[in-house]
Amino acid sequence: GAVVSQHPSWVICKSGTSVKIECRSLDFQATTMFWYRQFPKQSLMLMATSNEGSKATYEQGVEKDKFLINHASLTLSTLTVTSAHPEDSSFYICSAQPGLAVGDTGELFFGEGSRLTVL
Amino acid sequence: SQQGEEDPQALSIQEGENATMNCSYKTSINNLQWYRQNSGRGLVHLILIRSNEREKHSGRLRVTLDTSKKSSSLLITASRAADTASYFCATRDTGTASKLTFGTGTRLQVTL
Repeated sequence: GAVVSQHPSWVICKSGTSVKIECRSLDFQATTMFWYRQFPKQSLMLMATSNEGSKATYEQGVEKDKFLINHASLTLSTLTVTSAHPEDSSFYICSAQPGLAVGDTGELFFGEGSRLTVL
Repeated sequence: SQQGEEDPQALSIQEGENATMNCSYKTSINNLQWYRQNSGRGLVHLILIRSNEREKHSGRLRVTLDTSKKSSSLLITASRAADTASYFCATRDTGTASKLTFGTGTRLQVTL
């Protein structure tokens, strides 16, 4: 199956600093990537949809200026948590979807996740 | 986004037994997918069933879909300790080009 690489897998930072998380599709081009946030023992909450070459679409309640998303190429999307605070501590997961073709069902391929701890 | 509900929230069985998880959703869907997540890891796609399908098999997995009841079930037969994980259903709505909405998940524990 297709491989999505996400890093760092874990990061600890001080309150007020910014953290960048990268999501790369290694063997396919991803026109669309998704960023999710997951709290312990809970489901995935979609934060935003990232489309190559255009602005990300954020879900209701997600601060655009807080969570900056850049999808500069067909294989790379980045999520930057700006001025991080302890409440931003969470597990962030990206997923990528190959370009949709006729009959394509749109299975998602996930990265391994990034655990952010803000002190 | 409206998440689907899954039940049970947690399930503990012994190796060799079957595990059944249920998922209910609220909208009209294009397809429904099941994913598995090991603790602290990303998600792995297990199986997809289209809205015009009623049942699908893949190895020890059997998925059913009842669009009239807006529900699906995942059956894992002859479970193994390695099946211990969280399982999520995810729906792709008819009106949304690409977004998947995940259910609340079932945590499965398979003991020896």
